[in-house]
Amino acid sequence: ETGVTQTPRHLVMGMTNKKSLKCEQHLGHNAMYWYKQSAKKPLELMFVYSLEERVENNSVPSRFSPECPNSSHLFLHLHTLQPEDSALYLCASSQDWDRGPGELFFGEGSRLTVL
Amino acid sequence: GQNIDQPTEMTATEGAIVQINCTYQTSGFNGLFWYQQHAGEAPTFLSYNVLDGLEEKGRFSSFLSRSKGYSYLLLKELQMKDSASYLCAVTDSNYQLIWGAGTKLIIKP
Repeated sequence: ETGVTQTPRHLVMGMTNKKSLKCEQHLGHNAMYWYKQSAKKPLELMFVYSLEERVENNSVPSRFSPECPNSSHLFLHLHTLQPEDSALYLCASSQDWDRGPGELFFGEGSRLTVL
Repeated sequence: GQNIDQPTEMTATEGAIVQINCTYQTSGFNGLFWYQQHAGEAPTFLSYNVLDGLEEKGRFSSFLSRSKGYSYLLLKELQMKDSASYLCAVTDSNYQLIWGAGTKLIIKP
């Protein structure tokens, strides 16, 4: 138990569907992250929120849309995805962000398959 | 560009010692992390090095040489539960976290 919970754990969707991934952290952290993890590739940072404000957006296609309604919750809204978007999507949190994330606390991930 | 290299896969025997290497070329350096990730689970923090030398934590130790851009994770008295991927990550001068692709460690009885 890392204190970061992600739902759903598994998701299969068609290219025309709209779905959302949810992340919740119970650690009182100020920063939250979305990462994409593909087999045998480094973790790819997608978005960073610090105190509910988006501070990083690493050239992610607009078919991925993040939302951070408060410091404990983070969503990733998905629409018109492509098969190459199939991957494990990891949420993480850290105490702060401005001088580097420090130790990250990860959720177990949402395994996404796009058909 | 920025790059972190670590072996893709390693195999070791239960009870033995294994060393997982990580070399990095980054724009500056503000610390190096090791994470462990069991299949289907969340990555979890193992160690953090910012100064040269060896940090020991139970069966696991992590070493850093900033002048060589090199680190290793040393696992002693290997157990079957140590079968996992080990991720190396470096914080650069802009406090961006640069990740390696991970090393899958297979432990055999």
